[in-house]
Amino acid sequence: EAQVTQNPRYLITVTGKKLTVTCSQNMNHEYMSWYRQDPGLGLRQIYYSMNVEVTDKGDVPEGYKVSRKEKRNFPLILESPSPNQTSLYFCASSPTGGTQNEQFFGPGTRLTVL
Amino acid sequence: GNSVTQMEGPVTLSEEAFLTINCTYTATGYPSLFWYVQYPGEGLQLLLKATKADDKGSNKGFEATYRKETTSFHLEKGSVQVSDSAVYFCALRGTNAGKSTFGDGTTLTVKP
Repeated sequence: EAQVTQNPRYLITVTGKKLTVTCSQNMNHEYMSWYRQDPGLGLRQIYYSMNVEVTDKGDVPEGYKVSRKEKRNFPLILESPSPNQTSLYFCASSPTGGTQNEQFFGPGTRLTVL
Repeated sequence: GNSVTQMEGPVTLSEEAFLTINCTYTATGYPSLFWYVQYPGEGLQLLLKATKADDKGSNKGFEATYRKETTSFHLEKGSVQVSDSAVYFCALRGTNAGKSTFGDGTTLTVKP
């Protein structure tokens, strides 16, 4: 089944403890992206990757890191999480970064930083 | 930069009522426009899209027409069902296709 998977689905952590949220897609998509969803703010783009080894900032990149060493994986790294990073995170992919491509979303990761 | 503005919600309708969710955008060039739907506890999934002016996207009884003159992409459905209860997001991918812009989302509740 074609899908985007994220792990973990739920995570409660404490301020300053480094964490990684994994994202993997099995559709051979070139493009991947991370978003956070907050009440009243919709989805905001954190980082995106047009292809392997090519990443760029979205609208809210502060406090996050990403890497794209393989086509299928695009982990999101929070090196020193803070409470304002408590949010629902979504990974997405599309065949290319082309304007017309729809994005396929993972199921989400709900992160709480205490 | 690009922006998407959706009508404020939440929206509550009775079954079989007519639905309109307004969406307007600001973008340079010729963006593609999308409506995504998010059911409770799930990720977003594409509902419909339009890639050029005057295109009409349609799916599952929902429709939206890309209006460049009014920079709008309003979502409509003639007769909603309880199963349509979800959060709806308007989105665009512009000339910098790596970046995507989403609206704030509109929560629709349909009562029997």
